[in-house]
Amino acid sequence: AQKVTQAQTEISVVEKEDVTLDCVYETRDTTYYLFWYKQPPSGELVFLIRRNSFDEQNEISGRYSWNFQKSTSSFNFTITASQVVDSAVYFCALSEAPDNYGQNFVFGPGTRLSVLP
Amino acid sequence: DTGVSQDPRHKITKRGQNVTFRCDPISEHNRLYWYRQTLGQGPEFLTYFQNEAQLEKSRLLSDRFSAERPKGSFSTLEIQRTEQGDSAMYLCASSFTIPSNEQFFGPGTRLTVL
Repeated sequence: AQKVTQAQTEISVVEKEDVTLDCVYETRDTTYYLFWYKQPPSGELVFLIRRNSFDEQNEISGRYSWNFQKSTSSFNFTITASQVVDSAVYFCALSEAPDNYGQNFVFGPGTRLSVLP
Repeated sequence: DTGVSQDPRHKITKRGQNVTFRCDPISEHNRLYWYRQTLGQGPEFLTYFQNEAQLEKSRLLSDRFSAERPKGSFSTLEIQRTEQGDSAMYLCASSFTIPSNEQFFGPGTRLTVL
């Protein structure tokens, strides 16, 4: 069965610091997808990024970057020069796709990030 | 606004009452998902639909829970004989069929059972 672990329950940083959120996953499938979502205080989950298991190329998007390493089953997320508006709970999620009609989507427990001014 | 919408946003009920929540997905999406989220936890999968067919249910979905998507558009989630343990945020999401596609979430319905 698939599992997502986010070992950091809460992180506090001062504005402009860089911060990395860790995500470790378990799956038996060779084809799977990894996601990061942000849940700000307003409550609505916001999609940030998707990665498939065949694409280990790391990505940078503005202040966000992602480091996907299959060898360690990790999909870490870094915010550079953090801002107060980045304060939210961040969830890592794993989707297995055994066939066209089956899909298991599992979220990690989340990491609460507080960016202090 | 063409995002996922949910109604009501908040529901307070007494133990033993029945409640029903509605979700309107993004119109082009044929998959619709229901999740439950309790305080401090990530969303837990409950069930999902491919068009009007309910394809998977979690063991979390006891026989007091039922979900429908009668015409492959909006969906309802009903909880019968509510219990205090049902208090949670109920989230709806929608996506295209391709598993790699991300799910877009609604604002949720917060249920409080007194």
